[in-house]
Amino acid sequence: EAQVTQNPRYLITVTGKKLTVTCSQNMNHEYMSWYRQDPGLGLRQIYYSMNVEVTDKGDVPEGYKVSRKEKRNFPLILESPSPNQTSLYFCASTFGSGQVYSPLHFGNGTRLTVT
Amino acid sequence: QKEVEQDPGPLSVPEGAIVSLNCTYSNSAFQYFMWYRQYSRKGPELLMYTYSSGNKEDGRFTAQVDKSSKYISLFIRDSQPSDSATYLCAINNAGNNRKLIWGLGTSLAVNP
Repeated sequence: EAQVTQNPRYLITVTGKKLTVTCSQNMNHEYMSWYRQDPGLGLRQIYYSMNVEVTDKGDVPEGYKVSRKEKRNFPLILESPSPNQTSLYFCASTFGSGQVYSPLHFGNGTRLTVT
Repeated sequence: QKEVEQDPGPLSVPEGAIVSLNCTYSNSAFQYFMWYRQYSRKGPELLMYTYSSGNKEDGRFTAQVDKSSKYISLFIRDSQPSDSATYLCAINNAGNNRKLIWGLGTSLAVNP
């Protein structure tokens, strides 16, 4: 089954404790992206990658890191999480790098709580 | 002014009703208009997209773009309880690769 898999689904952590949210897709997509979704603010892009070893900042990259060492994986790293990073996070992927109409395939989300 | 405005609702309708969901946008350069559906505890999934102006129909769903008014709509005919979800509009400026501008989403409940 074609899918984007995120882990974990739920995560509660404390301020300053480094964490990684994993994302993997099995559709051989070139493009991958991370979003956070907050009430009243909607979906905001954190980082995106157009291919292996190519990453770029989205609208809200502060406090996050990403890497793209393999085509299928795109982990999101929070080096020193803070309470304002409490959010619902989504990974998404699609084919190509410039087709604006190609559908984004989303994972089922990671609910992160930072206390 | 936000680039994309969408009434968050919630919208509650009886089964079988016609539903109209709307977004307005500010930048006339936008060309691609998408509707995503998001069920509770799931990621969004693409429902429909249109390019430039006009209508597009897919089963019970019709997407409409009015570029002169900078207004897009999604109509759902014969709504079903399974249509209960949040509907997000997403708009793209073709000059900016993959950059989608998202609406906040409208929460829809279809009551049996």
